[in-house]
Amino acid sequence: ETGVTQSPTHLIKTRGQQVTLRCSSQSGHNTVSWYQQALGQGPQFIFQYYREEENGRGNFPPRFSGLQFPNYSSELNVNALELDDSALYLCASSFTFRDRQFFGPGTRLTVL
Amino acid sequence: QQQVKQSPQSLIVQKGGISIINCAYENTAFDYFPWYQQFPGKGPALLIAIRPDVSEKKEGRFTISFNKSAKQFSLHIMDSQPGDSATYFCAANMNYGGSQGNLIFGKGTKLSVKP
Repeated sequence: ETGVTQSPTHLIKTRGQQVTLRCSSQSGHNTVSWYQQALGQGPQFIFQYYREEENGRGNFPPRFSGLQFPNYSSELNVNALELDDSALYLCASSFTFRDRQFFGPGTRLTVL
Repeated sequence: QQQVKQSPQSLIVQKGGISIINCAYENTAFDYFPWYQQFPGKGPALLIAIRPDVSEKKEGRFTISFNKSAKQFSLHIMDSQPGDSATYFCAANMNYGGSQGNLIFGKGTKLSVKP
């Protein structure tokens, strides 16, 4: 086990709704990265937070946003859900952005 | 330039055989090349990683071979076991600039090891 937890495990939403996914990093890890993994694909980088500031962003629209809190927890928020947002959402924590990333088990989001 | 191309998409190997998965990249700024193993219902777990200053790294039954001039790297699993059946992802990133820590993954290889 990596010590990285995510909630909820599964989630079903309808198109146009908003969703918040949560991640709890390993204690002491100042960096959290979020990835989207579509079925049968590799994870795609959404964004990264380092010490509560966004530290890089992939090719995702602004309706994907995040927060990182001082207690090593973080959130991924997605507004105006689209069918193509259906995927496994993974968070990964690391001590700094230069270190090995430890992945959580993911949240499976289904948009109907 | 930001892609990592992985092959094959799926692989079936007999128990005790060698599994070989290949990846290729374009961006010469990449300086960290990890391999991840993912079981169904789990997040990816780091298996082994290499930096471009070495041509080979071995950890137990897992070996990464790295060819900097060809911009290719591969994972070899020796004495493959049924418990190795999983999806394997190669990845790459660069530890400078705005892309620090941003892992770019291949599309994955589903490995099945037959008893």
